[in-house]
Amino acid sequence: TAGITQAPTSQILAAGRSMTLRCTQDMRHNAMYWYRQDLGLGLRLIHYSNTAGTTGKGEVPDGYSVSRANTDDFPLTLASAVPSQTSVYFCASSVTTGTTDTQYFGPGTRLTVL
Amino acid sequence: GQNIDQPTEMTATEGAIVQINCTYQTSGFNGLFWYQQHAGEAPTFLSYNVLDGLEEKGRFSSFLSRSKGYSYLLLKELQMKDSASYLCAVTDSNYQLIWGAGTKLIIKP
Repeated sequence: TAGITQAPTSQILAAGRSMTLRCTQDMRHNAMYWYRQDLGLGLRLIHYSNTAGTTGKGEVPDGYSVSRANTDDFPLTLASAVPSQTSVYFCASSVTTGTTDTQYFGPGTRLTVL
Repeated sequence: GQNIDQPTEMTATEGAIVQINCTYQTSGFNGLFWYQQHAGEAPTFLSYNVLDGLEEKGRFSSFLSRSKGYSYLLLKELQMKDSASYLCAVTDSNYQLIWGAGTKLIIKP
């Protein structure tokens, strides 16, 4: 079982360019999440989705957008990248939200914005 | 505000025991998670506590005191492969996960 896959593994992006980070899960989980992880800080929630067709804002949503057209895919888009978006991005999923279901993480995308 | 505190870094010796502490102040409490994260990899689930007391799972145990806003992760018989960061996370009243910055554990032979 693949679990959660993310692409690309890493990327260097020029400031002002747009980019979509891909996330796909095969566990049929209803809930999906996007986090960023920066040195010295805890994981910070960017956006989440309780179920296909719905999305919500997390702690640090500015500069990012998401969509959830189906259960499996949850892409994260940076419309116009800035250097402060340099980070490691993790996608995660859980069976549901509103409970204490364990979150399972993808391998991450390391993004550098120059 | 919501806050999770963990030591930044700890060092221990192979074969020994280490305790990683986590204190939290959150708006409500619906459980506490511990995750392990090896360098360059994704966090992976270790344990979950929602009631006070000790949960044991092999070499790893996790303790919770809700009245003190305190948890610890106890690792016994340390192995070199236990070198990793250990993340504490609390589920608040809205079932959002609040994450600590993690404790980097260095194991020396």
